[in-house]
Amino acid sequence: DGGITQSPKYLFRKEGQNVTLSCEQNLNHDAMYWYRQDPGQGLRLIYYSQIVNDFQKGDIAEGYSVSREKKESFPLTVTSAQKNPTAFYLCASSSGEAKNIQYFGAGTRLSVL
Amino acid sequence: AQKVTQAQTEISVVEKEDVTLDCVYETRDTTYYLFWYKQPPSGELVFLIRRNSFDEQNEISGRYSWNFQKSTSSFNFTITASQVVDSAVYFCALSARIHFNKFYFGSGTKLNVKP
Repeated sequence: DGGITQSPKYLFRKEGQNVTLSCEQNLNHDAMYWYRQDPGQGLRLIYYSQIVNDFQKGDIAEGYSVSREKKESFPLTVTSAQKNPTAFYLCASSSGEAKNIQYFGAGTRLSVL
Repeated sequence: AQKVTQAQTEISVVEKEDVTLDCVYETRDTTYYLFWYKQPPSGELVFLIRRNSFDEQNEISGRYSWNFQKSTSSFNFTITASQVVDSAVYFCALSARIHFNKFYFGSGTKLNVKP
């Protein structure tokens, strides 16, 4: 089945710790995205990548880092610089064309211990 | 600048009632796309529909229908004869040609359908 796989489903971070959220897609999509969702709010863009080895900051990139070494994978690291990391994180991918539709993974819920 | 407003934070209806979710957008681009997504309690966003700015025809898919009106910058979503399984958070989103990879999401409308 084609789709987007995010892991883990739940993640706990200790203070001062970096944690990495995984996102893998087998849709052969060029573009991938990371969003943050806080309770009762919409999605805010953290980072996106239109092609391998290239990525751009979104609206709330501070305290996060990404890499795009493979077309299928776009991991997100939540660094210790992100002081309020508790949120629901969603990964998406799209073909990258102008009329593209973004397809989403099931999300990772990150909490701080 | 692009912006999407979903003024209805939460709506509760009884099963079989019709319900309309409002979406108002702002963009200066003449070429843009509008989307609706459903987020059930499981969390994954499910794509429902995409419309481009040049196609104002209303669309119907089963119990779902969408009303796109450029004159009022609105893209409203109606569920006819609602069912408990329709309970979810619904998001409206916009992407403009100037930067089509960037989606602008509304804050979402939580729909509660009670039996």
